[in-house]
Amino acid sequence: LAKTTQPISMDSYEGQEVNITCSHNNIATNDYITWYQQFPSQGPRFIIQGYKTKVTNEVASLFIPADRKSSTLSLPRVSLSDTAVYYCLVVTWYLTGGFKTIFGAGTRLFVKA
Amino acid sequence: NAGVTQTPKFRVLKTGQSMTLLCAQDMNHEYMYWYRQDPGMGLRLIHYSVGEGTTAKGEVPDGYNVSRLKKQNFLLGLESAAPSQTSVYFCAGRERGSTDTQYFGPGTRLTVL
Repeated sequence: LAKTTQPISMDSYEGQEVNITCSHNNIATNDYITWYQQFPSQGPRFIIQGYKTKVTNEVASLFIPADRKSSTLSLPRVSLSDTAVYYCLVVTWYLTGGFKTIFGAGTRLFVKA
Repeated sequence: NAGVTQTPKFRVLKTGQSMTLLCAQDMNHEYMYWYRQDPGMGLRLIHYSVGEGTTAKGEVPDGYNVSRLKKQNFLLGLESAAPSQTSVYFCAGRERGSTDTQYFGPGTRLTVL
């Protein structure tokens, strides 16, 4: 099972780039890496997903090295509204058709003015 | 288009009482999930469904039952609530073929006294 490990918390200032790294040493060949954002009293919200190398969308970039044992979520020029908990997620698929989804404990990002 | 909705938003139970949490989605998702979220532990998968009439156990299924009689609804039941089931419960849906982009509901906060 691909257990994930993330820093518990991070602080940043408005306008800075923030990089959050997730470790997933046991990731399997068919697993994808997904990042979610969660604000207080809300459900998690999808940010970005990738399999290898680099993925970029309108809100973030995801960097995945060749060995895929870690991934880094990059948030460019954060604002106060980016203060949230960020979860790294790996899904392990089984040959029976079942799967296991494992959320890490999350990284609490606090953006200061 | 309401997305994923959950009923109720809050509930207080006494030990031994039963209740059902309802998740409804209008996004035509094949897959639906129930998670619980406890402080410092991220989200843990309770049960999931890969289609109407099917259910499967997740990471922490004990003490819970589920049913998916209609594609758009996924019910989570607690037959005899215990204080250890005090948590925030999230439902999520996902399209078949998606590499795990889940859409979450707003959550149900349950307290068992």
